[in-house]
Amino acid sequence: AQSVSQHNHHVILSEAASLELGCNYSYGGTVNLFWYVQYSRQRLQLLLRHISRESIKGFTADLNKGETSFHLKKPFAQEEDSAMYYCALSSVFNKFYFGSGTKLNVKP
Amino acid sequence: NAGVTQTPKFRVLKTGQSMTLLCAQDMNHEYMYWYRQDPGMGLRLIHYSVGEGTTAKGEVPDGYNVSRLKKQNFLLGLESAAPSQTSVYFCASKGASSGDFEAFFGQGTRLTVV
Repeated sequence: AQSVSQHNHHVILSEAASLELGCNYSYGGTVNLFWYVQYSRQRLQLLLRHISRESIKGFTADLNKGETSFHLKKPFAQEEDSAMYYCALSSVFNKFYFGSGTKLNVKP
Repeated sequence: NAGVTQTPKFRVLKTGQSMTLLCAQDMNHEYMYWYRQDPGMGLRLIHYSVGEGTTAKGEVPDGYNVSRLKKQNFLLGLESAAPSQTSVYFCASKGASSGDFEAFFGQGTRLTVV
């Protein structure tokens, strides 16, 4: 069965600290992995996906198939990064499965 | 370009009342989804649709019904609301082309059942 696990429910950092939000997944087939971000009282929006291997707003995420992980990283956190972050996978049937989310607070 | 629009944004219901949430998308997307968002549980899929006239159950379908009579609209119905259905509901849509990888979300509907 497919699942996404985010073990860090709430992360508090100081500005300029390095950031890593954990994500592990379980899925038997070809998978697409994503990170979505939700700023306070706003809709979810795509942050990045594993296929593109790009950096958005300084964030990166590398897919590790051996560890079935897709951790989100940023070398220097900023106060404006404070938000809810959701790791998600989409299956071949175009269904999206989300983790429980990580609330990130970056303090100035 | 409005994207995905949900109506209403807020609603308070009494236990046993019924209501319908409307999701409209203007991107000609084939796939549409309804999720509920609860603290500590993330987003859970209620129902989804792979095209006009089709619907399917997600992870938590009980107590909800859906309809997709028009491609651009996906309705979520609560026949007899219960306090356990207090949540924030999000609609999303996605295209079916090989380049359509992203799900686009509505702004959410905050529902309280008292």
